[in-house]
Amino acid sequence: GAGVSQSPSNKVTEKGKDVELRCDPISGHTALYWYRQSLGQGLEFLIYFQGNSAPDKSGLPSDRFSAERTGGSVSTLTIQRTQQEDSAVYLCASSSGIQEKLFFGSGTQLSVL
Amino acid sequence: GESVGLHLPTLSVQEGDNSIINCAYSNSASDYFIWYKQESGKGPQFIIDIRSNMDKRQGQRVTVLLNKTVKHLSLQIAATQPGDSAVYFCAENIGGGGADGLTFGKGTHLIIQP
Repeated sequence: GAGVSQSPSNKVTEKGKDVELRCDPISGHTALYWYRQSLGQGLEFLIYFQGNSAPDKSGLPSDRFSAERTGGSVSTLTIQRTQQEDSAVYLCASSSGIQEKLFFGSGTQLSVL
Repeated sequence: GESVGLHLPTLSVQEGDNSIINCAYSNSASDYFIWYKQESGKGPQFIIDIRSNMDKRQGQRVTVLLNKTVKHLSLQIAATQPGDSAVYFCAENIGGGGADGLTFGKGTHLIIQP
């Protein structure tokens, strides 16, 4: 596609439920990132995929968070047993390589009630 | 701790004036810097980047200045327009590639006064 696509754009869920957030990176981009942005805050790194290498999961806040990237393209971020503090905008970005600029999607606004 | 920061959380300028947004970094090994603009409800959008072998780079109405001596980065926006209202983030890369090489600042909210 022309840009990074994320779905859904908004997700409202009840505390304790699992959610899946999807990211379609720009075609051909080998690097994919997930960030979290709380209201009025900066970007919090969650996880990074580069080609076929093992992902860098150092930013995941707890074991309730996981992500996978299938076929080197689409990625899914899964949050299990959601908590209210998980409410935030989840942003996905992709890039064509090391030290290349990141292209961001519009994000998924997650609200946990 | 965070190695990239901004001097002001909010900057208010008159429409038509020039805007200068500042960013300080502490890692002297950083060799690639990026400015992003984030409008309300949208993801960050790339504005301009600069590598450490340069001091200045110009784009359309924007200029990025890099002062490696004092580890300072700035974004200048000429003739500020209402559409420039957004949060501006600087980011630095320490050359390692990957997520652990990229650090974002907290952002400066640019407000345009009519």
